[in-house]
Amino acid sequence: KQEVTQIPAALSVPEGENLVLNCSFTDSAIYNLQWFRQDPGKGLTSLLLIQSSQREQTSGRLNASLDKSSGRSTLYIAASQPGDSATYLCAVRGGNKLVFGAGTILRVKS
Amino acid sequence: GAGVSQSPSNKVTEKGKDVELRCDPISGHTALYWYRQSLGQGLEFLIYFQGNSAPDKSGLPSDRFSAERTGGSVSTLTIQRTQQEDSAVYLCASSLDVGMETQYFGPGTRLLVL
Repeated sequence: KQEVTQIPAALSVPEGENLVLNCSFTDSAIYNLQWFRQDPGKGLTSLLLIQSSQREQTSGRLNASLDKSSGRSTLYIAASQPGDSATYLCAVRGGNKLVFGAGTILRVKS
Repeated sequence: GAGVSQSPSNKVTEKGKDVELRCDPISGHTALYWYRQSLGQGLEFLIYFQGNSAPDKSGLPSDRFSAERTGGSVSTLTIQRTQQEDSAVYLCASSLDVGMETQYFGPGTRLLVL
């Protein structure tokens, strides 16, 4: 059974700092890995999707990497802003469903 | 449509009552997924549809839960004889097709069973 773990559970940083969120998964037989953002009381917004054959994806200040063999992914956020404050969820796809981690709650202080 | 929509946005019900949650996927998306997010827990998969068929119902917590999809579009998740542990946010997502596509999520329905 696939299990996804995210570290840290919560993170508080000052504005402008670069930060890394970590995701690990137990079964490397995945189709892809996706990072989402969830704001309080809202649904999920897809940030980046990395196919199993890819090593990384970039969008603006966000960069996600994938090491499938070791079962790890990182989400790098450059020059963090207060608007980045949210819960960040990592999800892996094996078969036709996503398996989610518990998330990292990020707070960026101005 | 512009995105995945869900209704109602909030639902409060009494223990033992039945509830229906609705999901309107993005137009043209053939795959539709239901997830549940309980307080203090992560998102868990419930069921997915490819067209009107549900090949994988493995995530449904009990036989009180059922879902259907008609016309390859709208889906309804029904919970019969609700229990307090059913209280959660129920999220719907859709994707262009089942496979390697990005899933787009709706805002969710917040269900509270008293």
